[in-house]
Amino acid sequence: AQSVTQLGSHVSVSEGALVLLRCNYSSSVPPYLFWYVQYPNQGLQLLLKYTSAATLVKGINGFEAEFKKSETSFHLTKPSAHMSDAAEYFCAVSEKGNEKLTFGTGTRLTIIP
Amino acid sequence: NAGVMQNPRHLVRRRGQEARLRCSPVKGHSHVYWYRQLPEEGLKFMVYLQKENIIDESGMPKERFSAEFPKEGPSILRIQQVVRGDSAAYFCASSPYGTGDDTQYFGPGTRLTVL
Repeated sequence: AQSVTQLGSHVSVSEGALVLLRCNYSSSVPPYLFWYVQYPNQGLQLLLKYTSAATLVKGINGFEAEFKKSETSFHLTKPSAHMSDAAEYFCAVSEKGNEKLTFGTGTRLTIIP
Repeated sequence: NAGVMQNPRHLVRRRGQEARLRCSPVKGHSHVYWYRQLPEEGLKFMVYLQKENIIDESGMPKERFSAEFPKEGPSILRIQQVVRGDSAAYFCASSPYGTGDDTQYFGPGTRLTVL
């Protein structure tokens, strides 16, 4: 069975500050890991994904995430927050491609001007 | 390329009525997934289908819910005799198969309100 834990349901950062959204996973097999972003009343957009290649994954909009097997973590970072980054962020895991995704409960990111 | 399309975007039903949610996958995608998002929660997997075949329905409630993905036309999620607890956003995702792309592409969702 797989699970995802996102620490911090709400995170606030100042514009221009570092964004760090935490994700820890549990999986009995090497995982595929994903970060999705959801803007209000919209669907989910893929930010980035890890599929057993490079452990540091770069995504869209300046986001990146690092897969750390020893810590079972896949934290999302962005060096400098922008107002347009305000949204809900979901971490997800699957056991292999084209299988069901197990999502975390999400982290709502607020950017302070 | 058009993305995943879902309709209607908003659906209001009274208790006991039926709800039909439609999902047209990305052109060329043969696999469809349905997820449900309850208020203030993450998405929960419901069912995974390919054309004319249910692959995994482990997340589907045992009663009142059904899904299909016919050879022609959109995938349909059907909820019979809706109750207030069915109020949620229902998202469809699609993915290609056999191309090495394991990404699920999500539609904008259907927001179901049960009065």
